[in-house]
Amino acid sequence: EVQLVESGGGVVRPGGSLRLSCAASGFTFDDYGMTWVRQGPGKGLEWVSGINWNGDSTGYADSVRGRFTISRDNAKNSLYLQMNSLRGEDTALYHCARYSSLYRYGMDVWGQGTTVTVSS
Amino acid sequence: QSVLTQPPSVSGAPGQRVTISCTGSSSNIGAGYDVHWYQQLPGTAPKLLIYGNSNRPSGVPDRFSGSKSGTSASLAITGLQAEDEADYYCQSYDSSVRGVFGGGTKLTVL
Repeated sequence: EVQLVESGGGVVRPGGSLRLSCAASGFTFDDYGMTWVRQGPGKGLEWVSGINWNGDSTGYADSVRGRFTISRDNAKNSLYLQMNSLRGEDTALYHCARYSSLYRYGMDVWGQGTTVTVSS
Repeated sequence: QSVLTQPPSVSGAPGQRVTISCTGSSSNIGAGYDVHWYQQLPGTAPKLLIYGNSNRPSGVPDRFSGSKSGTSASLAITGLQAEDEADYYCQSYDSSVRGVFGGGTKLTVL
């Protein structure tokens, strides 16, 4: 079964750090680019960051650039998001999702998400 | 403020046709990047509904269709069913590795 499972969420104080992980299974991980998408409480989807299949190309939303770092370990079939200098507005459910040219870079598989709460 | 603009809500009676618009700019949709549509049922992860402007993944009913023109795109749903009640999001790119979403549209089936 094709699956993405996020972990690493939790409660953190403003200014703190957190590292999210996304474990992939059921498909050839390095055939796909990966993204992080978040959804704040009662809000819409926000694209956060993306990385291509081998990690040599990354992108960030303006809201997180300079604070978040995306990376991947193809040997471990895993995607990561290092989040530093966290703010209240980073509170959200964070999903990882895969994309490929097969779907013209649309995201065809999503994880259920891990919750990040930034609060003092 | 989302980069792509969608109406906050649309509604229709069972069996009717509804459309959801998605307006971008020359730096994203108008630059030639494809538009994708996602359906999000309450409490679940988003599901890819339309990819590459007008293509349906396997398993998506042909009641759902997409189109793109210039700096805009639209999603059409015909033969509206109660199970279609959900939030719908358009998505594109404004560079090779930076994605953008619309603010989402809540579809209510009357």
